[in-house]
Amino acid sequence: GPKVLQIPSHQIIDMGQMVTLNCDPVSNHLYFYWYKQILGQQMEFLVNFYNGKVMEKSKLFKDQFSVERPDGSYFTLKIQPTALEDSAVYFCASSFTGANERLFFGHGTKLSVL
Amino acid sequence: QQQVRQSPQSLTVWEGETAILNCSYEDSTFDYFPWYHQFPGESPALLIAIRPVSNKKEDGRFTIFFNKREKKFSLHIADSQPGDSATYFCAASGPGNTGKLIFGLGTTLQVQP
Repeated sequence: GPKVLQIPSHQIIDMGQMVTLNCDPVSNHLYFYWYKQILGQQMEFLVNFYNGKVMEKSKLFKDQFSVERPDGSYFTLKIQPTALEDSAVYFCASSFTGANERLFFGHGTKLSVL
Repeated sequence: QQQVRQSPQSLTVWEGETAILNCSYEDSTFDYFPWYHQFPGESPALLIAIRPVSNKKEDGRFTIFFNKREKKFSLHIADSQPGDSATYFCAASGPGNTGKLIFGLGTTLQVQP
């Protein structure tokens, strides 16, 4: 079936550095999402993105976070600068219509901030 | 308050039994309730979903029971198989075109042969 690819699967970075998480969504999908899962906790919505713009973001989406999808390539989540509490698994997802339908998730990128 | 509570945290059943996973929510504007499952090493994938116009949704061995008055919904897995062993997440989302899901903590299901 359709797949969402996330690169890398694991990223280790020093606190204060910048990190970019990459997501290759399903090719004909129009809505893109990032979710964050801290170990032992539920997956939490960070942001959704449609037509080149952020539609909605949660309180977890701090000022240090940004998303973009330049020229229909990777959908990226950038954190600059990183903090210890950013350590988590970040899941990218995409959907065709976004209107509460099936989200296709990637395998996640485990981010470890040291 | 946008929360989804899920129980139990873990569940073990024997092959052939019915596994019952439970969720509750608080926000009465929620109008879409999916269940996702995640096998070890795999990404979460949609299993089945329901909207409040129905109080039951079946798909093979998987059934969602929905109680709007009590703000509860459950997933029943009939004739459980060892291959059903996975983590199951319930979720909810509200009206609008955002596709934003509020997830429960997950239930780790183990089906013993």
